[in-house]
Amino acid sequence: AQSVTQLDSQVPVFEEAPVELRCNYSSSVSVYLFWYVQYPNQGLQLLLKYLSGSTLVKGINGFEAEFNKSQTSFHLRKPSVHISDTAEYFCAVSDLTRGSQGNLIFGKGTKLSVKP
Amino acid sequence: GAVVSQHPSRVICKSGTSVKIECRSLDFQATTMFWYRQFPKQSLMLMATSNEGSKATYEQGVEKDKFLINHASLTLSTLTVTSAHPEDSSFYICSAGQGAGEKLFFGSGTQLSVL
Repeated sequence: AQSVTQLDSQVPVFEEAPVELRCNYSSSVSVYLFWYVQYPNQGLQLLLKYLSGSTLVKGINGFEAEFNKSQTSFHLRKPSVHISDTAEYFCAVSDLTRGSQGNLIFGKGTKLSVKP
Repeated sequence: GAVVSQHPSRVICKSGTSVKIECRSLDFQATTMFWYRQFPKQSLMLMATSNEGSKATYEQGVEKDKFLINHASLTLSTLTVTSAHPEDSSFYICSAGQGAGEKLFFGSGTQLSVL
């Protein structure tokens, strides 16, 4: 079975500072990896995903994540955050053996609070 | 971009009543829809996968007779929580898959509180 661990439930950071949101996963099979963002009163939006190829994945809004197979990590980074990045971020994996990418296993989420 | 509309956003009901949650894909046909549940401070957990015109596939531990899923059209799936109890209070969220690659679009979720 797969599992996803987001080590930080809340991350406060000042505007224009860099940020890293950590995500580790465990799986005995190959997986796809995702980061989703949920702004207040909105649905989840896909930030970026890793399916194969380059381990450094760039997403929307200046975010990027790096897949590290040896450390089973997929940390999300942004070099300079804005107030508008305040949201909850979810890391997720999809078990390739189950076929559909919709069979996602989510972490508990990390609330990013960007302060002026 | 594609939009998934989920209603209601919040519902409070008495124990023993049934609650229906709707999930609509507004500008695309969703071949597959997914229903998730999130308890406080827990992860989103996949409850079931529904394909238009066929029975839903439920995850282990999810009671199919309690959580009725209907996917009658390519743009609408409904989740009915039957005879709701306080332990069913949770955040329910749907997602819709578009096409063979199944890029997923999520609804904004429904907070169910059962008194």
